[in-house]
Amino acid sequence: NAGVMQNPRHLVRRRGQEARLRCSPMKGHSHVYWYRQLPEEGLKFMVYLQKENIIDESGMPKERFSAEFPKEGPSILRIQQVVRGDSAAYFCASSPVGYYGTNTEAFFGQGTRLTVV
Amino acid sequence: GQQLNQSPQSMFIQEGEDVSMNCTSSSIFNTWLWYKQDPGEGPVLLIALYKAGELTSNGRLTAQFGITRKDSFLNISASIPSDVGIYFCAGRREYGNKLVFGAGTILRVKS
Repeated sequence: NAGVMQNPRHLVRRRGQEARLRCSPMKGHSHVYWYRQLPEEGLKFMVYLQKENIIDESGMPKERFSAEFPKEGPSILRIQQVVRGDSAAYFCASSPVGYYGTNTEAFFGQGTRLTVV
Repeated sequence: GQQLNQSPQSMFIQEGEDVSMNCTSSSIFNTWLWYKQDPGEGPVLLIALYKAGELTSNGRLTAQFGITRKDSFLNISASIPSDVGIYFCAGRREYGNKLVFGAGTILRVKS
């Protein structure tokens, strides 16, 4: 039973390019969360999605960032026209249901380390 | 915005010693979680707490959900070298699934 799979693990982009980060949730999980972690800081919530729906995007920057979780395929976090300040580790987590409790907490992937040069 | 104050920021202890770290908040949380993150990896859930006053153990780890619902602590007994890493607390409000994370406690263990 594979865990949450994120790819690529490392991504280097030049300023102005686009970055696309992929997240395949655990089998049977239909809820996906994206978090960003700056060096030596905790994770910061970005967006919560269910299949084909954005449930909570209160942590997403208003410009250049978008996320989707289509009916088929992985969830995608897309950053357009990247800037140096976008350099961070981006983590995806998935859970089987939208409510929480024992055995329903989200599992995290290994993250994508984005470096903007 | 919601913030969790986690302390200490880092600790360097002798193998075999007990470790204690805590998180406090000015806001009430209805769930407290403790995670460990190894270098280059994602956070791994250690303990989840769902009721005020709850005390839960996982092997050598023990965590408590504060009565005021504004704090939590994590204890590690008899530390071993593989305990090194960054420990994060995280809280969740009653409505919504997003987690608020502390800044982490870096644990280093001397063998």
